[in-house]
This record gives sequence, C-alpha cells and structure tokens, in this order.
Amino acid sequence: GENVEQHPSTLSVQEGDSAVIKCTYSDSASNYFPWYKQELGKRPQLIIDIRSNVGEKKDQRIAVTLNKTAKHFSLHITETQPEDSAVYFCAASIWNAGNMLTFGGGTRLMVKP
Amino acid sequence: DSGVTQTPKHLITATGQRVTLRCSPRSGDLSVYWYQQSLDQGLQFLIQYYNGEERAKGNILERFSAQQFPDLHSELNLSSLELGDSALYFCASSADSGRAGETQYFGPGTRLLVL
Repeated sequence: GENVEQHPSTLSVQEGDSAVIKCTYSDSASNYFPWYKQELGKRPQLIIDIRSNVGEKKDQRIAVTLNKTAKHFSLHITETQPEDSAVYFCAASIWNAGNMLTFGGGTRLMVKP
Repeated sequence: DSGVTQTPKHLITATGQRVTLRCSPRSGDLSVYWYQQSLDQGLQFLIQYYNGEERAKGNILERFSAQQFPDLHSELNLSSLELGDSALYFCASSADSGRAGETQYFGPGTRLLVL
C-alpha cells in the first residue's frame, strides 16, 4: 500500500519567514495530494491540494509543488504569521480507487512573534 | 464548520465495553470515511462507505465495524475495547462524484478514552 513520509516533524520559524514542509510517497499511482492544517483538538482542515496533472498551485501565501518523477511534494508558506502555528499533514490518494487518504506523520509548525 | 457532524464529542468507557460513534456527512455527500488519530500511529484510514456500501478497508481491527444507513449517516462500532483504542476518531465525507481528487471534509471528531 501507499506510504507517505513527511519532514521535518517540527519546524520553528520567526514571524515573516518562510516555512517549507516536504513529503514523499511510494505509490506512483497516487494522483491527489491534499494538505491539511490541524489546530490542537480540532478537525483537520484542507488548506490546499494538488492533482497529478499540475506541477504547482498557489493560494495567497500558500503554495504546493509536485514532482511526480521523484514522487515528492512540498508545502511552502510565505510571510508566516503566529496564526499559522499548527500541525500540518500531507496526504496522498488514488482518486479512482476509493480516494482514501494516506497521511504523513505531521509537522508541528511554530511561528514565533 | 465543515458541515460534517459527529456525536458524541467525548466518550469515556472501560476496557471490554462496546461503543458506537455516529457521523452525519455533508448534505449531498455520498462517501463517508472513518479515520483514527492516535499519538503513536498518527492519522490512519479505517474504512470507507459509499452510498450504503463498503468501498474500501484500511487498518481496521476485526473488533471494529461500520455501516452506512439509507439516510447516509454512518456508525462506527468499537467492541471489546482495549486501552490502545483510546484515540480521536474522525469521520470525513466527500461527494465522490467521480471527479479527480474531491475534497474530504472532516467532522469535529469523537475523543474516546478507554480506562
């Protein structure tokens, strides 16, 4: 089955700096890659996603890049703010085979004011 | 608010007991997914139902079972509970209309504590 690895497990940045979280996946058939943000005790919330026919996607301060050949994808957050502090999860799925998500282990992002 | 509801929010029970977790998907969503989040295992897919039928199974124990009813709400049944079953259980739903990579919306979760 699919295996998703995520690095780093913790990331501390100064407010205004950029943050990058990287994930690798094992199943070349995976074609959908969402990123979720989870605040303590809350539900995971989708912040951005990318499909395998696209190499990059941007939404304001958040961007995701996908390298299908290398089987890795990354989340980039620019101009970080204290409210960006949370745990971020990457995930992978095969949309036409159930679409269940395989999650990475999570990255705890701390933005210091 | 994602539109997915889960009850109860918290559940405290004893080892060996049985509990039922309930999930109502977003209006119009046909697929329901159950995930378990524990400190040592992270977020893990358990099982998926689509329009009343089981579609996919993940790392779900034999002591656990689920079903989806005609009104599309779903229940996850956990029996012979063990201490290690203590976790956050999330339900998610998606339209699953066949388009590539449809968003899964997560409910607020049920926090289960087995004592």
